Amino acid sequence: HSVLSQPPSVSGAPGQRVTISCTGNGSNIGAGYDAHWYRHVSGSAPKLIIYENTKRALGVPDRISGSKSDTSVYLAISGLQAEDEAHYYCQSFDNSLSGAVVFGGGTTLTV
Amino acid sequence: QVQLLESGPGLVRPSETLSLTCSVSGTSLSRYYWSWIRQPPGRGPEWIGHIHYLGTTTYNSALMSRVTISLDTAKNEFSLKLTSLTAADTAVYYCAQYGSYLYWGQGTLVTVSS
Repeated sequence: HSVLSQPPSVSGAPGQRVTISCTGNGSNIGAGYDAHWYRHVSGSAPKLIIYENTKRALGVPDRISGSKSDTSVYLAISGLQAEDEAHYYCQSFDNSLSGAVVFGGGTTLTV
Repeated sequence: QVQLLESGPGLVRPSETLSLTCSVSGTSLSRYYWSWIRQPPGRGPEWIGHIHYLGTTTYNSALMSRVTISLDTAKNEFSLKLTSLTAADTAVYYCAQYGSYLYWGQGTLVTVSS
């Protein structure tokens, strides 16, 4: 199982807002390590959308945002569009596992 | 623009060794860490390990006994070797540039089957 926990799926109607959670613990997100979010469409490279918890990657619209609270980070997408349908993964670093990059299990967004 | 492209066999037999290469363009390997990640069907990504541009390697403890990552700066590529394959190693394998976050290649499917 994945070190970071994400809901397997979320859905929303066009124009609505959805939030995807990513929950870790005191050895990763809770220890202050940054988390990042990727958008992935099968067959292509996963693409960075949010880095360092809250910063939007180049070209990402401002209807997509990231936040952090304690041991969790959140990805919010408002004004849902059909093109937002994808898999979303969070990633961080864990100091209890030798130099480990850790991931969430992924969330499938259906619009 | 940085581009990473994985290459290697799509089918490998059980007990054999997987060898993959990642060709990097648009940047030099003389910065950052260079990572391998895999994603089994229906599951989340799993970090395999990475190599620092100075040659230091760090591996996932669950795979450490079977993994070797190496760097060839002259060819601007890095490689993965994974030994003693089983069906559980079937996955899409990605190479990536790792600073704080990852910049990924598009991945290559590796199936372990006889």
